[in-house]
Amino acid sequence: DAGVIQSPRHEVTEMGQEVTLRCKPISGHNSLFWYRQTMMRGLELLIYFNNNVPIDDSGMPEDRFSAKMPNASFSTLKIQPSEPRDSAVYFCASRQGSGNTIYFGEGSWLTVV
Amino acid sequence: AQKVTQAQTEISVVEKEDVTLDCVYETRDTTYYLFWYKQPPSGELVFLIRRNSFDEQNEISGRYSWNFQKSTSSFNFTITASQVVDSAVYFCALVSGNTPLVFGKGTRLSVIA
Repeated sequence: DAGVIQSPRHEVTEMGQEVTLRCKPISGHNSLFWYRQTMMRGLELLIYFNNNVPIDDSGMPEDRFSAKMPNASFSTLKIQPSEPRDSAVYFCASRQGSGNTIYFGEGSWLTVV
Repeated sequence: AQKVTQAQTEISVVEKEDVTLDCVYETRDTTYYLFWYKQPPSGELVFLIRRNSFDEQNEISGRYSWNFQKSTSSFNFTITASQVVDSAVYFCALVSGNTPLVFGKGTRLSVIA
């Protein structure tokens, strides 16, 4: 079975540019999560969706960040405009049901210069 | 509030030594789930184990074993006869109900040949 699929795997962009990260959750999973990992802050939750509906976006750093889940098989995380401090690994993860295992994609490594 | 504490930031052992990674959690919920994930140098997050709050039986999987003790709110992870391939960052995490994972800060394990 295919796992959580993220794209791009690596992106280098210039400050001020728009960045869009994409995620395809595992088929049948009804919860989707976006996490960010940095050396300073570790793994932090940005936002999560249940049944395509955003439940908690309190972790989104600021208005420059937005996330959508138009259907059960696709989600995007957008940063506009990007800043060097947004450089991090962004993980998408999905889960079926409550309390079950959350599976992670391989991450999108973002560098903003 | 939920919280996971991994007090050991870094551990270094010589190959074939046993090593225990500590995890202490806080939650007010009576039903919850505990997890361990491994993050090797390649960066992906690999699921290792999931445990629910009603099952305190210890678990062994090959060289890996987990000790869950509700009395001390701990879910420790032991690697027996460590190998170089075990070198990674290990994360303990907690979830209750339909909430996202709450991660500890991780323990970086270095196994030296």
